[in-house]
Amino acid sequence: DSGVTQTPKHLITATGQRVTLRCSPRSGDLSVYWYQQSLDQGLQFLIHYYNGEERAKGNILERFSAQQFPDLHSELNLSSLELGDSALYFCASSATTHSGGTPEAFFGQGTRLTVV
Amino acid sequence: AQSVSQHNHHVILSEAASLELGCNYSYGGTVNLFWYVQYPGQHLQLLLKYFSGDPLVKGIKGFEAEFIKSKFSFNLRKPSVQWSDTAEYFCAVNAGAGNMLTFGGGTRLMVKP
Repeated sequence: DSGVTQTPKHLITATGQRVTLRCSPRSGDLSVYWYQQSLDQGLQFLIHYYNGEERAKGNILERFSAQQFPDLHSELNLSSLELGDSALYFCASSATTHSGGTPEAFFGQGTRLTVV
Repeated sequence: AQSVSQHNHHVILSEAASLELGCNYSYGGTVNLFWYVQYPGQHLQLLLKYFSGDPLVKGIKGFEAEFIKSKFSFNLRKPSVQWSDTAEYFCAVNAGAGNMLTFGGGTRLMVKP
């Protein structure tokens, strides 16, 4: 158990819909990262939050957004879903500061999203 | 932008065989290097990491990796694999600004009993 909790584990939804994925980081970790794992794109970094603030963006679509709340949990919102958004979405947390530190990330079990 | 290449997409070995999985990255500055393992249906777990110092790093479950700066490589090795090592292995790099990881495409290892 990595200490990172993601809910739900599985999600099936129709095209055009909107879903919210939730991540609770390890106790004390201020950084949360979201990654997307798909068959054709592999594991791709989406976005990084540190203590409630967005720190870096990767290959995240404009239809996707995220936020980190004062209790440090994070949500990834996916809207206007397309078939190609079907993937495994991982959250990771680390104790890194926004300017450096030991960037060891601990991953959650992921949310498997299927868009039909 | 940094990138990571894992040249072996699928590897099939018999138990007790030796394993070496290749990983090359492209980034000219200081890097932090990682190998993660993903067992079927499970989350990514850290096998080992290199930040600085001895370029030969030992991780969990008998795995080790060697950082060769001149070759931009960080290959994963294990002298004798077990059936339980069947999993997908990901090499990752953290470099430059930000602390996000750039992952390679992964190598699926199947160990035959």
